[in-house]
Amino acid sequence: KQEVTQIPAALSVPEGENLVLNCSFTDSAIYNLQWFRQDPGKGLTSLLLIQSSQREQTSGRLNASLDKSSGRSTLYIAASQPGDSATYLCAVRPVYSGGYQKVTFGTGTKLQVIP
Amino acid sequence: DARVTQTPRHKVTEMGQEVTMRCQPILGHNTVFWYRQTMMQGLELLAYFRNRAPLDDSGMPKDRFSAEMPDATLATLKIQPSEPRDSAVYFCASGLAKPWEGVPAPTEAFFGQGTRLTVV
Repeated sequence: KQEVTQIPAALSVPEGENLVLNCSFTDSAIYNLQWFRQDPGKGLTSLLLIQSSQREQTSGRLNASLDKSSGRSTLYIAASQPGDSATYLCAVRPVYSGGYQKVTFGTGTKLQVIP
Repeated sequence: DARVTQTPRHKVTEMGQEVTMRCQPILGHNTVFWYRQTMMQGLELLAYFRNRAPLDDSGMPKDRFSAEMPDATLATLKIQPSEPRDSAVYFCASGLAKPWEGVPAPTEAFFGQGTRLTVV
C-alpha cells in the first residue's frame, strides 16, 4: 500500500526566503507525481505535474524535482511571498495495472509566509 | 471561466438527518470524483463516475452514503443518516478521460471549492 508523507506539517518563513517542501512515498512504481496548493476553504489547484520519466518541472518561482528510486520529491519555492501562504499537497499516481489507479495524497504542508 | 461548482458551501445538520451535496462538473468533462478531506485522514477518494456510470465507490460507506449522476451536469452525494464522524469537507472534481487512457487520474482533474459539512 502506497504511503505518502509530507514533512514538515507546518512551516513559517519570512518573506523573500527560498524554501523546500518535501514529499516521500513508499512505492516507487509511480506513473506521475503532482503538487497542489490548497487555500483555506478552497479546493485544490494544480501546480506542477512530473511524469515518472522526468526529473523536474518548473513554473515561474516553483521547481519540483522527482527522485523515483529514493521515493522523494521536493517543491522549491524561490523568493517566497505572502501570497504563497497555503497548504501544499503532493499526490502520487501508481503505474497502471488494470482497473482504476488509486491516487494517494499526502497530508500536506501548511506554509505561512510572513511579510 | 470553466469551473466545478459545488453547493452548498457550508452545511450544519443534526445527527440522523439526510444531507445532499451537489456538484456541477465542467461542461464536456466525462469523469467525476468525490473526495472527503479531514484533518486526520487527509484526502480520501469516495467514488468516481465515468460517463455518468459509477466505476468505483469502494471508498464510500455503503450503508449510509450514495452517489449518483442524474445527468451529465449534476452529480450528487447523499448521506442518510448523517453522523458526527461524517463532518469533513467534501470535494467534487471533474476531468476528461482520453480514449486510450480509460479514466483520468484525480491529479489531472479540476476541483470544486468543497462543501464543509458539520454534523452535530
